Amino acid sequence: GESVGLHLPTLSVQEGDNSIINCAYSNSASDYFIWYKQESGKGPQFIIDIRSNMDKRQGQRVTVLLNKTVKHLSLQIAATQPGDSAVYFCAENLNDYKLSFGAGTTVTVRA
Amino acid sequence: ETGVTQTPRHLVMGMTNKKSLKCEQHLGHNAMYWYKQSAKKPLELMFVYSLEERVENNSVPSRFSPECPNSSHLFLHLHTLQPEDSALYLCASSQDGFAEAFFGQGTRLTVV
Repeated sequence: GESVGLHLPTLSVQEGDNSIINCAYSNSASDYFIWYKQESGKGPQFIIDIRSNMDKRQGQRVTVLLNKTVKHLSLQIAATQPGDSAVYFCAENLNDYKLSFGAGTTVTVRA
Repeated sequence: ETGVTQTPRHLVMGMTNKKSLKCEQHLGHNAMYWYKQSAKKPLELMFVYSLEERVENNSVPSRFSPECPNSSHLFLHLHTLQPEDSALYLCASSQDGFAEAFFGQGTRLTVV
């Protein structure tokens, strides 16, 4: 089975609220993780990454948290906007060239 | 503009046809990838090329044949496909393997 998974397939959030998207991974040897955003009709777009020697990393309106103890990854989006509506994937780097993706969470922003 | 360009964007082919998907990256990366994205399934890695050598072949049927003539171009040759091969085929590139991959827009393939 897949080694990376998301807790919820869908998330509905009110515009302006914060969003939290969760992901669990099973390979404790993975040391690099990425969040991607995929809008309809487009390829996945890199959002933010984190290496296993970090617990938290912040970008513009996004924060990724890594909990290696429970093998959990989350993506927080501050002040969610309509343009944030998309499918979000977490991915873990299993070896030098292999990214394993979760099934994705569809985020819908309500106006 | 993502820096990774795929053509065609849409392709409909019969099971006896032969077609090719093309990918070009303008990012100066040294690794290129083919992924398959089916509905309600995670992205599946198909092939990886690093410095024009195949370094990963993820148990893909032989009816899919990749080609990497140089570090900027990647092809996926298709022949005798099945309807279940209908999917979005995504190309990606990265600088080395331990880095984020940049994806193209994908080719939506329908096998009839």
